[in-house]
Amino acid sequence: DGGITQSPKYLFRKEGQNVTLSCEQNLNHDAMYWYRQDPGQGLRLIYYSQIVNDFQKGDIAEGYSVSREKKESFPLTVTSAQKNPTAFYLCASSPSGGSLSYTQYFGPGTRLTVL
Amino acid sequence: EDKVVQSPLSLVVHEGDTVTLNCSYEVTNFRSLLWYKQEKKAPTFLFMLTSSGIEKKSGRLSSILDKKELFSILNITATQTGDSAIYLCAVEAYSGGSNYKLTFGKGTLLTVNP
Repeated sequence: DGGITQSPKYLFRKEGQNVTLSCEQNLNHDAMYWYRQDPGQGLRLIYYSQIVNDFQKGDIAEGYSVSREKKESFPLTVTSAQKNPTAFYLCASSPSGGSLSYTQYFGPGTRLTVL
Repeated sequence: EDKVVQSPLSLVVHEGDTVTLNCSYEVTNFRSLLWYKQEKKAPTFLFMLTSSGIEKKSGRLSSILDKKELFSILNITATQTGDSAIYLCAVEAYSGGSNYKLTFGKGTLLTVNP
């Protein structure tokens, strides 16, 4: 089945540790995105990539890093520099590299909790 | 900085009621406005609006955009308990080069009681 997968579903991390969230898509989409969702807030864009080996910072990139070595994969690393990392993280992809478009498909999300 | 403001933030109604959700925005280089429904995990797409005054309709849901006054409304008629969800409004805007950016509002939490 085509779609976007994120793993793990739940993740617990100790303060001071880096952790990497996985996002894989087999939709052959050019563009991929990472969002963060906190209670009472909308989705906020962390990083996005419109083509392999290229990515741009979103609105809240500090404390995060990404890579886009393969078209189907866009892992997000939450570093120890991120001051408040506990949140729900959503990955998305879209077929067009030049526009977010309405055809943005979301993964099921990863809930990260820092202990 | 681009802004998207949704109101109300939460709403409780009874089955059969009609609700109107609001979304206002301030963005540079507007391209489109999108509505999503988020029930448990990932948001699912409802509508994309690019032109003023043209209503988009899907079953009991409808939406319209006013690009002069910079707002959109999402209407749900004859609400059902299955309509209970967070409704997200997002605005797509051109951000330079070949890049576009999507800015989300905080969402409206709709609860439909039987």
